[in-house]
Amino acid sequence: GQNIDQPTEMTATEGAIVQINCTYQTSGFNGLFWYQQHAGEAPTFLSYNVLDGLEEKGRFSSFLSRSKGYSYLLLKELQMKDSASYLCAVRGPGDYKLSFGAGTTVTVRA
Amino acid sequence: SQTIHQWPATLVQPVGSPLSLECTVEGTSNPNLYWYRQAAGRGLQLLFYSVGIGQISSEVPQNLSASRPQDRQFILSSKKLLLSDSGFYLCAWMGQGVRGYTFGSGTRLTVV
Repeated sequence: GQNIDQPTEMTATEGAIVQINCTYQTSGFNGLFWYQQHAGEAPTFLSYNVLDGLEEKGRFSSFLSRSKGYSYLLLKELQMKDSASYLCAVRGPGDYKLSFGAGTTVTVRA
Repeated sequence: SQTIHQWPATLVQPVGSPLSLECTVEGTSNPNLYWYRQAAGRGLQLLFYSVGIGQISSEVPQNLSASRPQDRQFILSSKKLLLSDSGFYLCAWMGQGVRGYTFGSGTRLTVV
């Protein structure tokens, strides 16, 4: 099975940086995903990591350490529109299902 | 390009009434399809998934059932809704490997 942990809430100021951590304990691993979900909407894909290291995509970056069962999503130059829930999800080996963490609600304040 | 349609967007149903939510995918064949539920302030819970027509796997015992009558159609049903069935229901398909899921727009179900 999969056990995925991430903080419940984070608050940051517009223009700042926020780092959302995700730790996982799984019976196997075949990739980690980050999704953004605005209130009342469906999740949308942000990033994917399958190898160790940092993946950068504009203001968002995601890091993975498979040996530590750890990932983080880094949001830079925060904007008000970044206020949302961020979901960490893990796919097991040969598994076409994703297991999700409970999500981290990020509130950006002016 | 692939698109996923889910309807209705909002539904208010009395306890004990039936339910039918429909999801269709366009632009792909033999997709893996999924139904998730998200209770208020909670994470996504996988309810059912399907790898082909008539093939349904249930993840948790509940008051719901799923069917896949056609390759790109996935239906979530209940014969008698419970208050605890309220939530945000999301259909998804497994897209290209590096993107994981693509979600439908979701159905907000309130059982009263």
